[in-house]
Amino acid sequence: KNEVEQSPQNLTAQEGEFITINCSYSVGISALHWLQQHPGGGIVSLFMLSSGKKKHGRLIATINIQEKHSSLHITASHPRDSAVYICAVYRGDTDKLIFGTGTRLQVFP
Amino acid sequence: NAGVMQNPRHLVRRRGQEARLRCSPMKGHSHVYWYRQLPEEGLKFMVYLQKENIIDESGMPKERFSAEFPKEGPSILRIQQVVRGDSAAYFCASSVNIQETQYFGPGTRLLVL
Repeated sequence: KNEVEQSPQNLTAQEGEFITINCSYSVGISALHWLQQHPGGGIVSLFMLSSGKKKHGRLIATINIQEKHSSLHITASHPRDSAVYICAVYRGDTDKLIFGTGTRLQVFP
Repeated sequence: NAGVMQNPRHLVRRRGQEARLRCSPMKGHSHVYWYRQLPEEGLKFMVYLQKENIIDESGMPKERFSAEFPKEGPSILRIQQVVRGDSAAYFCASSVNIQETQYFGPGTRLLVL
């Protein structure tokens, strides 16, 4: 079993829909990253959080440390949001990220 | 402030050749991480370096792979005697400090013929 699990693996949506991507982890962590990988392969760091909630534009990330769960929400989704969204955690006090397998999102006009 | 730079963006090698991948971190970042993404798979940690030091290489294959981050110049990931299974995208990331936000480079796509 992977230490970081994401759901769903694939997600399709119509433009304007509210999107939720989930990440669960089985290890103690110090922080969690949400990353976006574009179809061309480039990776962008969206959020790093260790508690609570962060918002940037139409993106919202939340984390519940007790439940070992994080969610990434996209409001008013747009075709340009189509990408793979990856959850990654810093385990305890280690120096390396452990990655989920990603959620492939396609938003259709 | 330029982002993380990687070159080359694409590299083709024949089996048995050497591959050298370069990564220049963001200005002010002294922590560099290398990750590998095999086709249709997720990202996997390879190695974490600070200037002139390898801090954690637990994700590096034991043979043929090495990494360095010299005092001057970019970090280098070196793969000797490449095999077809080395074909992957190799990403570098940098951060200001440990467990801070990592910023990723565009990756080097290595194809071994």
